[in-house]
Amino acid sequence: DTEVTQTPKHLVMGMTNKKSLKCEQHMGHRAMYWYKQKAKKPPELMFVYSYEKLSINESVPSRFSPECPNSSLLNLHLHALQPEDSALYLCASSQQGPHSGELFFGEGSRLTVL
Amino acid sequence: GQQLNQSPQSMFIQEGEDVSMNCTSSSIFNTWLWYKQDPGEGPVLLIALYKAGELTSNGRLTAQFGITRKDSFLNISASIPSDVGIYFCAGLNAGNNRKLIWGLGTSLAVNP
Repeated sequence: DTEVTQTPKHLVMGMTNKKSLKCEQHMGHRAMYWYKQKAKKPPELMFVYSYEKLSINESVPSRFSPECPNSSLLNLHLHALQPEDSALYLCASSQQGPHSGELFFGEGSRLTVL
Repeated sequence: GQQLNQSPQSMFIQEGEDVSMNCTSSSIFNTWLWYKQDPGEGPVLLIALYKAGELTSNGRLTAQFGITRKDSFLNISASIPSDVGIYFCAGLNAGNNRKLIWGLGTSLAVNP
């Protein structure tokens, strides 16, 4: 299994809603990442987990709350988002740890905030 | 902060043509990587380069790690319609707080 699976593929939410994005990998990778990507731009790093512990937080607003329940799962909890948070949210994993460049990405969750 | 200059920004070519794109930086990187992103998908790693001067191929793709460690290029030979997408270079800097820095991407369109 060489896949990173993300759900849902599409999510529309209001600014007062609470929702979660989910990511799963069964490659035994030790690091997992959340990236945000705007149209026609490169991915921007948000969070990195290494061995289920938060390793990097790129000064992301607290309305985004990551969680790593176990080595295979990564969640991103969303609350009180703004329309400018609409983007493609990508999950990735790597075998070599939190500072690796060799990333396996999921297909992403397309988020629209109304 | 560190930035990567990726060029060209976009390309429109005929099927069968060769393609070349490059990435430059004002600072040194220890690793260069090339990713491709299809519409509606996440980026996929094409080639990773770890040593200055290294030349690596993956099918019709060839990438090189510049000897100054400040640049890299990607060539695609005999392009086909499925080569369409956005190609991103990325560099991994040195030190304990290594960070992956991304180029702005090259959008490739192939006319069959």
